[in-house]
Amino acid sequence: DAKTTQPNSMESNEEEPVHLPCNHSTISGTDYIHWYRQLPSQGPEYVIHGLTSNVNNRMASLAIAEDRKSSTLILHRATLRDAAVYYCISPGAGGTSYGKLTFGQGTILTVHP
Amino acid sequence: DTEVTQTPKHLVMGMTNKKSLKCEQHMGHRAMYWYKQKAKKPPELMFVYSYEKLSINESVPSRFSPECPNSSLLNLHLHALQPEDSALYLCASSQGASKGGTQYFGPGTRLLVL
Repeated sequence: DAKTTQPNSMESNEEEPVHLPCNHSTISGTDYIHWYRQLPSQGPEYVIHGLTSNVNNRMASLAIAEDRKSSTLILHRATLRDAAVYYCISPGAGGTSYGKLTFGQGTILTVHP
Repeated sequence: DTEVTQTPKHLVMGMTNKKSLKCEQHMGHRAMYWYKQKAKKPPELMFVYSYEKLSINESVPSRFSPECPNSSLLNLHLHALQPEDSALYLCASSQGASKGGTQYFGPGTRLLVL
């Protein structure tokens, strides 16, 4: 899998935007960038994914750099419920075509009221 | 319905016990996964099943034995576990086992081995 690098932790205030960065300099041309998050005491949940263009859904936006070596997950208005560990994952070829997700350490997001 | 269910939620077992974890999904997904997550660590892949056949075993010890009786059900049979096997065991499913597919996770079974 393409290696990803994320900050260990970030903090935000409620109602403010949050930009979570991820570096994936070894990504290949056909690898998607996925973001999952894990709320306390829950399993990971899918947030968003993209390949080249910026992507939006009801949860977040994903901004992908033109060279695809980095991306940023954007939460437009953080709520207390967004406090979680955010994982940026790029399932590379990894010697298999199967959907292997290799989780890095992720970014712990703290949201202050 | 995008739900993956796992039972039991909690399990305590001795090192000589045999127990099973169960995972179920009714989304018509054909790929199912077991992950192990130690406290304050990211999930680690253990097994992948694709079309009810084991396709990936990440060098997991034989005391963990997966089983996929049908496309909706995934079991993890546990025997002679060690205390260091205590962890959160997560099940996930996806439409297919492709590298771009979204995985849907269950809430996990928290296992304590005494």
